[in-house]
Amino acid sequence: AQSVTQLGSHVSVSEGALVLLRCNYSSSVPPYLFWYVQYPNQGLQLLLKYTSAATLVKGINGFEAEFKKSETSFHLTKPSAHMSDAAEYFCAVSEIVTSYDKVIFGPGTSLSVIP
Amino acid sequence: EAQVTQNPRYLITVTGKKLTVTCSQNMNHEYMSWYRQDPGLGLRQIYYSMNVEVTDKGDVPEGYKVSRKEKRNFPLILESPSPNQTSLYFCASSSGQGFSGANVLTFGAGSRLTVL
Repeated sequence: AQSVTQLGSHVSVSEGALVLLRCNYSSSVPPYLFWYVQYPNQGLQLLLKYTSAATLVKGINGFEAEFKKSETSFHLTKPSAHMSDAAEYFCAVSEIVTSYDKVIFGPGTSLSVIP
Repeated sequence: EAQVTQNPRYLITVTGKKLTVTCSQNMNHEYMSWYRQDPGLGLRQIYYSMNVEVTDKGDVPEGYKVSRKEKRNFPLILESPSPNQTSLYFCASSSGQGFSGANVLTFGAGSRLTVL
């Protein structure tokens, strides 16, 4: 079964600084990868997804992620953090099980933005 | 507005008192699923449904039941809740079925359950 690890359960950055959230996956076949964001008291929403079309994927709110097969990584970045980026971020991988896609989530990384 | 609606959003109950968390989606999605979110563990799948009358266990189904009598509704039932079921629960739906791998989940806002 596939798995997802996220290095750092909590990350703090200053407003305007680079955001880097790490994600590594285990997969023996080309994966489909996702980043979801959870704002306080809300459900998860999709930030971006990788489906093998391009290794650099752009998402909403200025976020992007780069798929690196050799490193089995899918790290999320944003050049300049904004206060509104404070949230929980989940990396996820899609695994085909029988006839549907099972999504496996990482443990999450809580991002704090310091003014 | 396309959305997944869960109720109640917050609930405190006592051990053994049956409860139901409702989930409804207005997007005509085939696939629906329940997750629980616990600190440090991310989201773990409880049950899922690929279509009406078709449900199956996820990774942590013990102590839960589901039903899918209509396409839009997928209630989660705790027949005899216990304290270890205290958690944040999410319902999600997706339009896709099959081997696309790229189906995006739409989540409800969550239901925070406390079992005393």
